[in-house]
Amino acid sequence: EIVLTQSPATLSVSPGDRATLSCRASQSVTNDLAWYQHKPGQAPRLLIFRATIRATGIPARFSGSGSGTDFTLTISSLQSEDFAVYYCQQYTIWPLSFGGGTKVEIK
Amino acid sequence: QLVESGGGLVQPGGSLRLSCTASGFTFSASWMHWVRQSPGTGLVSVSRIRSDGSTTSYVDSVKGRFTISRDNAKNTLFLQMDSLRAEDTAVYYCARGRSDWSLDAFDIWGQGTLVTVSS
Repeated sequence: EIVLTQSPATLSVSPGDRATLSCRASQSVTNDLAWYQHKPGQAPRLLIFRATIRATGIPARFSGSGSGTDFTLTISSLQSEDFAVYYCQQYTIWPLSFGGGTKVEIK
Repeated sequence: QLVESGGGLVQPGGSLRLSCTASGFTFSASWMHWVRQSPGTGLVSVSRIRSDGSTTSYVDSVKGRFTISRDNAKNTLFLQMDSLRAEDTAVYYCARGRSDWSLDAFDIWGQGTLVTVSS
């Protein structure tokens, strides 16, 4: 099973600031990596797939980069609605696996 | 959209059947998945099923105890959970694979249904 390690576990950011989230895989997942936003009591929301492609309706302030084992999700200017937990997921091999999450909280 | 149902409180060793009803997309053309989130922890892929039901996969921790199935005529996905353990306590989400590839990101998720295994 591929293990995904996300860092930091918690990120305290002020509205309008940039947030950079990291995801590292225990082995190469090429570009089969997605990012999700999850708020309490809601369904997770797909943000990025194929490491860099924004899903339908996702604002341009969300961007993904990386390939192989190291990936980054960047939120260029945090809005109030962006405070949530973010998960990366690999889908190169079954079982699919998720990282432990990064909680983005208001500073 | 996807709407899960069937969660609840069950004793260890008991059984529960979850359902997930789909609308707004071609259910019969989609790989479907179950994902769970235990209290205070992250997301875990539990099972997946091909669009025609011919292929299924399970994470090791539920193999032999859980069975995924689907009824394309009723746009419904199921998860039969037997021999339940305390560690199966979680919110269970159904999700759609983004494309017809066997492995892809999940572009539609349900709101989840809570399963609690406790005596």
